[in-house]
Amino acid sequence: GAVVSQHPSRVICKSGTSVKIECRSLDFQATTMFWYRQFPKQSLMLMATSNEGSKATYEQGVEKDKFLINHASLTLSTLTVTSAHPEDSSFYICSAPTTSGGTGELFFGEGSRLTVL
Amino acid sequence: AQSVTQLDSQVPVFEEAPVELRCNYSSSVSVYLFWYVQYPNQGLQLLLKYLSGSTLVKGINGFEAEFNKSQTSFHLRKPSVHISDTAEYFCAVRTAGFQKLVFGTGTRLLVSP
Repeated sequence: GAVVSQHPSRVICKSGTSVKIECRSLDFQATTMFWYRQFPKQSLMLMATSNEGSKATYEQGVEKDKFLINHASLTLSTLTVTSAHPEDSSFYICSAPTTSGGTGELFFGEGSRLTVL
Repeated sequence: AQSVTQLDSQVPVFEEAPVELRCNYSSSVSVYLFWYVQYPNQGLQLLLKYLSGSTLVKGINGFEAEFNKSQTSFHLRKPSVHISDTAEYFCAVRTAGFQKLVFGTGTRLLVSP
């Protein structure tokens, strides 16, 4: 089946630094990828839709300058948390639909846990 | 806009007992429905989905769900749970033609011996 991989799975950084999280579709091309954020014991909140070759579409309330998204190729999207602060600590998950279409299924990465000290 | 309600935040159950996790949705148009499972510190794995056709959908790990349009529900069931089923379960919905998923708040299934 389709596989989506995220890296790193865990990252700890100091307040004020920037952190990049990668999301790759390993065996299919994804023109669209979705980035979610999950707080402890809560549901997934859609942050933004990453579009290959164009700007990302952010959900209401998500800071574009804080969460930079780049979708440079059909298999890679990156989320950069800029000038991270402790409140940015969270579990970030990406997902991508396969191009086979019609199935309605999204494949999810393993998630990346960010801890900002 | 669509919304999903999972009424139970936590469901404790003994091993080998049956379980039902409830999910209700709201939408003005036809929807596709999904159940995902999440183990600690991991991403989401699809359990099953309803797109069209038979309202009883069978998924992986012995789970099944029934789509009830009149009650706008998509409850997840398993006749006999295992310790390994302990996890967080999310119900999700999307409309045809759109790939964004709207998730419920999740139900933590706790299976004890």
